[in-house]
Amino acid sequence: KNQVEQSPQSLIILEGKNCTLQCNYTVSPFSNLRWYKQDTGRGPVSLTIMTFSENTKSNGRYTATLDADTKQSSLHITASQLSDSASYICVVSGAGKSTFGDGTTLTVKP
Amino acid sequence: NAGVTQTPKFQVLKTGQSMTLQCAQDMNHEYMSWYRQDPGMGLRLIHYSVGAGITDQGEVPNGYNVSRSTTEDFPLRLLSAAPSQTSVYFCASGAAPYEQYFGPGTRLTVT
Repeated sequence: KNQVEQSPQSLIILEGKNCTLQCNYTVSPFSNLRWYKQDTGRGPVSLTIMTFSENTKSNGRYTATLDADTKQSSLHITASQLSDSASYICVVSGAGKSTFGDGTTLTVKP
Repeated sequence: NAGVTQTPKFQVLKTGQSMTLQCAQDMNHEYMSWYRQDPGMGLRLIHYSVGAGITDQGEVPNGYNVSRSTTEDFPLRLLSAAPSQTSVYFCASGAAPYEQYFGPGTRLTVT
């Protein structure tokens, strides 16, 4: 069964600090991996999308990495801001289907 | 561009009532889909469409119907609401299967 597991489930950091969120998957076949940011009460917004051949993708202070051999991805947030407080969702797709992780809830405190 | 719009934003239904959640997009996307999001769980696919006149079931289709008569609109119908359908519903559209722009969501409570 295709699965996407994200860790940690929740994370609290101080403003200005860096953090890394993890995503492990067992989806096969693999087409792409996406990270979304979901603010409270809003729909998810795409941050990055990576295919099999890409191992790093950046979007401002967000950098995603992908190791297709170990089936792991991480999302690194640099110099966090209060507006980074949100849920971050990892989605892995292949063969026409997408599997969503449960998300990591990040809280950035002043 | 308004993007993906959903109405209503909030809805309370009694068990057994029916209703339609509306979804519209103005980006001429072929792919549209409906998800539900329950607390502590990932988004789950209810139904999807790859173009006007073509729909298919997702992971959790029971109790829901869809139709796609135009490229722009993809309504989701709840046939006979049940408390288990209390959730937040998101519509998404994209120009490719894995491209998804999400709407703002509809928060549904069934009592």
